[in-house]
Amino acid sequence: QKEVEQNSGPLSVPEGAIASLNCTYSDRVSQSFFWYRQYSGKSPELIMSIYSNGDKEDGRFTAQLNKASQYVSLLIRDSQPSDSATYLCAVRSSNTGKLIFGQGTTLQVKP
Amino acid sequence: DAGVTQSPTHLIKTRGQQVTLRCSPKSGHDTVSWYQQALGQGPQFIFQYYEEEERQRGNFPDRFSGHQFPNYSSELNVNALLLGDSALYLCASSLAGLGSYGYTFGSGTRLTVV
Repeated sequence: QKEVEQNSGPLSVPEGAIASLNCTYSDRVSQSFFWYRQYSGKSPELIMSIYSNGDKEDGRFTAQLNKASQYVSLLIRDSQPSDSATYLCAVRSSNTGKLIFGQGTTLQVKP
Repeated sequence: DAGVTQSPTHLIKTRGQQVTLRCSPKSGHDTVSWYQQALGQGPQFIFQYYEEEERQRGNFPDRFSGHQFPNYSSELNVNALLLGDSALYLCASSLAGLGSYGYTFGSGTRLTVV
């Protein structure tokens, strides 16, 4: 079992729709969770972090965390073509301090 | 406020050669982590340096080694290069104890082994 799992996609949504990206993790002691956006040929850019169960909203982005289910998600409202990128879920273990990434989900927003 | 700086941006090496990649962390950060990202994959953790010592290591062979200098900058060395080492190498910096705030990534070094 991979430490952090994501569906590689591609996930295709029309412009203006809600994009839902999901991630599961295996390490129960994980404490910090992150979503990075990576455009083709570029480095990852941090867009959201979440540490407590529930929802965290920042503009068009909402991160959701459920530690009991070991599940974290990212919702993007009013999706724009500029949101087309690979979204990486990352989990930091409080035991090791390592930040572990999933393989990423490619999002395509079609005009 | 300078971000994470990596050099070189691109590199082509021949199998069997050795390579050194460099990273300067974001101002105020003292911890450097290195990642390898193959095409279509997520970044894979290589190792992390703090206080000039390797603190954590991923599942990479001993051909991969590193160093951290007193000014917190870091080098990644790869010996006996293989074709499979071709990837984007990412350096990420953070502040020890505040890693929960996430890492800041450099723009990466694209290594091609031929």
